Amino acid sequence: SQTIHQWPATLVQPVGSPLSLECTVEGTSNPNLYWYRQAAGRGLQLLFYSVGIGQISSEVPQNLSASRPQDRQFILSSKKLLLSDSGFYLCASGGRNTEAFFGQGTRLTVV
Amino acid sequence: SQQGEEDPQALSIQEGENATMNCSYKTSINNLQWYRQNSGRGLVHLILIRSNEREKHSGRLRVTLDTSKKSSSLLITASRAADTASYFCAEDSNYQLIWGAGTKLIIKP
Repeated sequence: SQTIHQWPATLVQPVGSPLSLECTVEGTSNPNLYWYRQAAGRGLQLLFYSVGIGQISSEVPQNLSASRPQDRQFILSSKKLLLSDSGFYLCASGGRNTEAFFGQGTRLTVV
Repeated sequence: SQQGEEDPQALSIQEGENATMNCSYKTSINNLQWYRQNSGRGLVHLILIRSNEREKHSGRLRVTLDTSKKSSSLLITASRAADTASYFCAEDSNYQLIWGAGTKLIIKP
């Protein structure tokens, strides 16, 4: 099975600072990769998905961007964080016609 | 994206009792999946039920699917304290999973 490595687990950043969250995948090749954000007590909101290197699709307009520089690496970034970017961010692999594997998440607090 | 709905939002039962959670979805699905999330952690896959299946079992878990009503249910039998978590359904449609808001399950010892 796959393992999703996501770090850091928690992050406190000032408003206006940059962001880089990294996710790497083990145990599969050419996975579909996803970045989700989860508000407290809510379901998952899809932010970005990628079907291959350099291929990024965005689901919602926002202050964030994503990149996939390698097959099993997916990065979530921001040039200048807003207070509204606070949340729980999850990286996932798979999910189409098969189970999805999730990282342990990053709790981002923008102060 | 259209989000499915789960019912109830929260459920608190005694250890040993059965817990039933329901999920309604909106699209034509390839399959429907159930996941569990412990507080502040990632999600863990429980069961995937395909659109041509009506019932599926895995240990103490039983999932049903009614495509005519666009609904699914998750039954956990003989609940344990360790089952305390949030449970989410996700409809697999096209390129993404569409997630419900989840049911928060608390098992009282």
